[in-house]
Amino acid sequence: DAKTTQPNSMESNEEEPVHLPCNHSTISGTDYIHWYRQLPSQGPEYVIHGLTSNVNNRMASLAIAEDRKSSTLILHRATLRDAAVYYCILRRGSWGKLQFGAGTQVVVTP
Amino acid sequence: NAGVTQTPKFQVLKTGQSMTLQCAQDMNHEYMSWYRQDPGMGLRLIHYSVGAGITDQGEVPNGYNVSRSTTEDFPLRLLSAAPSQTSVYFCASSYRGLGVRQFFGPGTRLTVL
Repeated sequence: DAKTTQPNSMESNEEEPVHLPCNHSTISGTDYIHWYRQLPSQGPEYVIHGLTSNVNNRMASLAIAEDRKSSTLILHRATLRDAAVYYCILRRGSWGKLQFGAGTQVVVTP
Repeated sequence: NAGVTQTPKFQVLKTGQSMTLQCAQDMNHEYMSWYRQDPGMGLRLIHYSVGAGITDQGEVPNGYNVSRSTTEDFPLRLLSAAPSQTSVYFCASSYRGLGVRQFFGPGTRLTVL
């Protein structure tokens, strides 16, 4: 299965944008890019997913490189509530399982 | 909707004891799964089910049993608890495939002494 590489941690100031990178150089054509986040002492929460085109929803934006070997999750205005571990995950086709890595710990400073 | 619920929230067992972690969802999701999360690590898939009566193994199934007699419930059984099973356990459900947006429960923190 294709793997993802994320930085261990990132810091941001409140109300500033956060750009979370993810490398997935071995991605295949049928792999979807998913992002989940996990707030302290809670279960993971779906953030966004995409295949080839950039995606936006109320929580975040997902920018996918043209060659699909990397992607960036964008939190437009970080709040203290966005402090969490963010996981970039590849899902193979329509039925593939989610494989979680260690993720990126996002710290938001007031 | 209550979403995905898990009981208990915390549990302490002695080595060799057995217990069942409960998971229920009220969203009529076909797909349910169990994950474990060890400190500082991501989640690992234990078992999953694509519908009532159908289950399959995930990445780390040893020491765990599951069954799916109804759409709503997916219990996880520890047959003979071991200290290596100390972890936080999460149940999840989704409409279609395992990789489509999953809804996670709040977790059960299990300690095996």
